[in-house]
Amino acid sequence: QSALTQPPSASGSPGQSVTISCTGTSSDVGGYNFVSWYQQHPGKAPKLMIYEVSERPSGVPDRFSGSKSGNTASLTVSGLQAEDEADYYCSSFAGSNHLVFGGGTKLTVL
Amino acid sequence: QVQLVESGGGVVQPGRSLRLSCAASGLTLSIHGMHWVRQAPGKGLEWVTGIDYDGNNKYYADSVKGRFTISRDDSKNTLYLQLNSLRAEDTAVYYCARDLAHWSLWFDSWGQGTLVTVSS
Repeated sequence: QSALTQPPSASGSPGQSVTISCTGTSSDVGGYNFVSWYQQHPGKAPKLMIYEVSERPSGVPDRFSGSKSGNTASLTVSGLQAEDEADYYCSSFAGSNHLVFGGGTKLTVL
Repeated sequence: QVQLVESGGGVVQPGRSLRLSCAASGLTLSIHGMHWVRQAPGKGLEWVTGIDYDGNNKYYADSVKGRFTISRDDSKNTLYLQLNSLRAEDTAVYYCARDLAHWSLWFDSWGQGTLVTVSS
């Protein structure tokens, strides 16, 4: 399974919205509603932000939202805050009980 | 409070073996699927392997199939990863992670990671 495609970087000013894309194929992102997003700060473990395309775990601010269209999933962060600066990874079920991650996007808050 | 603590990492020569442990507290391994995810230095995340909630099914990424083995000891509430025939490209921080459900491939709790360095 090939890694999902994410832009290497994204940025926005405080208070703005930014959207990060995650492109796969009909064998992963497009074929299942099993997309999730993780936030990772430097030197820390990843944190689940979105699962099942658009569901938020308890404790995740509603500024984070997810969606999917065809083979592309998206994470939108609204009302950007300084603490949102981190790496973001998407992942998707890829058949045969396997999981594939995206290459990661470094989000910079200007 | 869910806590996962990995141990067992270190420097190992190519071709040798290592066993990683993940001690769990605040959760029961037999209720959730459990996984290992790794991250090479400066690189992205890679799912390595997972074991479902009842331990009957284990799945592996193609990159480690036949070399790595996942297991768990319910009496110790501990997850293991046996790494054999190690290669330089296996160098990474290895995280254990709890599945949100029996087997969803969504990981809602993570350990702090343990670093494995494969080098001669």
